[in-house]
Amino acid sequence: EVQLVQSGAEVKKPGESLRISCKGSGYSFTSYWISWVRQMPGKGLEWMGRIDPSDSYTNYSPSFQGHVTISADKSISTAYLQWSSLKASDTAMYYCARHSGSGSYFNYWGQGTLVTVSS
Amino acid sequence: SYVLTQPPSVSVAPGKTARITCGGNNIGSKSVHWYQQKPGQAPVLVIYYDSDRPSGIPERFSGSNSGNTATLTISRVEAGDEADYYCQVWDSSSDHLMFGGGTKLTVL
Repeated sequence: EVQLVQSGAEVKKPGESLRISCKGSGYSFTSYWISWVRQMPGKGLEWMGRIDPSDSYTNYSPSFQGHVTISADKSISTAYLQWSSLKASDTAMYYCARHSGSGSYFNYWGQGTLVTVSS
Repeated sequence: SYVLTQPPSVSVAPGKTARITCGGNNIGSKSVHWYQQKPGQAPVLVIYYDSDRPSGIPERFSGSNSGNTATLTISRVEAGDEADYYCQVWDSSSDHLMFGGGTKLTVL
C-alpha cells in the first residue's frame, strides 16, 4: 500500500527556521516525483514545487522560488520542505503529494502538516 | 502564467446533476485532472486525463474537456459529494503545475 506520512503539527515564532518531512512507503521512492502543496486557512490549493528523488532535481513555482527549499533523502525515502526564516503568512496546511508515473497529476497525498507561525 | 478559473460555488439538489467548470485559454489542448477535498481531509483524485476515473471513484463522476472549458460532472448527487473541487493542469513547457481556485459544491 502506497503511503505518504508527514511529520506532525508545528508552532513556531516569526524568524525561526523549520523543516517538515514526508516519508514514502509501499513503492519505489526514487521512481516518482514528490510535490509540496500549500493551503492557507480557508483558501485553495497552491503548488509550491517538486523534487525528483532519484537525482534531487527541483522545480519551484515562481510564487515560492527563493522562499522555501525542497529536498529529499532517498536513503530513507523522505522528502522535506524547509524555511530559513518563517513569517506569519507561512501559517498554513502543507501537503506532500506523489506524482503519477507520467508526472502530470497526484495520485497519492500525505495527511498534511499544519504550520502555525505566531509571536 | 497559465490561469485556471472556477466558479466559487455550485449548488444542487440531491439526485440532480452538478457541473463544475474550469476555464483556461485553450484548455482543451491540455490534460485536466480533478480533486475532491472534504473539510479536514487531504484532497482525493476523482478524475484524471480529462475523463478517466481512478479505481474506487463512483461512475457518477465524469469529466470532459474542449475548447476553453473543462467540466466535472457529478450525476445523481448525494449529500456525501458536498466538498471543494479543484481542477489542475501541468504545463509541460515550464514544468509547472497549477490549480484552479476551487469550487464549493453545496448539496441543498
